[in-house]
Amino acid sequence: GNSVTQMEGPVTLSEEAFLTINCTYTATGYPSLFWYVQYPGEGLQLLLKATKADDKGSNKGFEATYRKETTSFHLEKGSVQVSDSAVYFCALSDQMGGGNKLTFGTGTQLKVEL
Amino acid sequence: GAVVSQHPSWVICKSGTSVKIECRSLDFQATTMFWYRQFPKQSLMLMATSNEGSKATYEQGVEKDKFLINHASLTLSTLTVTSAHPEDSSFYICSARPHSGGIHTQYFGPGTRLTVL
Repeated sequence: GNSVTQMEGPVTLSEEAFLTINCTYTATGYPSLFWYVQYPGEGLQLLLKATKADDKGSNKGFEATYRKETTSFHLEKGSVQVSDSAVYFCALSDQMGGGNKLTFGTGTQLKVEL
Repeated sequence: GAVVSQHPSWVICKSGTSVKIECRSLDFQATTMFWYRQFPKQSLMLMATSNEGSKATYEQGVEKDKFLINHASLTLSTLTVTSAHPEDSSFYICSARPHSGGIHTQYFGPGTRLTVL
């Protein structure tokens, strides 16, 4: 079956540091890949997505590239801010299921300090 | 942006009682709503998919008689945990897909923390 593995947290960084959160996946077919972010007390929000190999999703300074050869979708940001502190979830959508089903990773908590 | 609310945000109940959780899309119509469950330090697990006016589709291993889902309108879905037991304690999250949204579009609620004593 489908699965998503992402690095355990919490990840603690100083403001303006470089961020990488690793995500690898196992899936049949050609899934779409997503990063969701959850700020304290709020629901998950779509951060970025990529629907085919070599696509790069980007939003709010974050980016991730769909790497089919390494089955990875690592999240990066060049300079994090305190406001980026949140939990980040990597996910994939099963195309065979009509795109309905999202399979999530366990989430990685990011703490950014001054 | 599209907003999904859940009520209550947390609930504590005694073993054997039933608990109802509401999921509402506040500013859009949702033809499809999803219910997820999340255990500490684990990923969100899809429990069921509900379409307005029809029976929910449950994932393998989810007891449909225990987790009753009703999607009575285009803005409201409810999850009722019947005869709750301590092992049902978890974080329940709903999401909603807009009528006009693409297949990858889901807006998530903030979740409901259920604790069964």
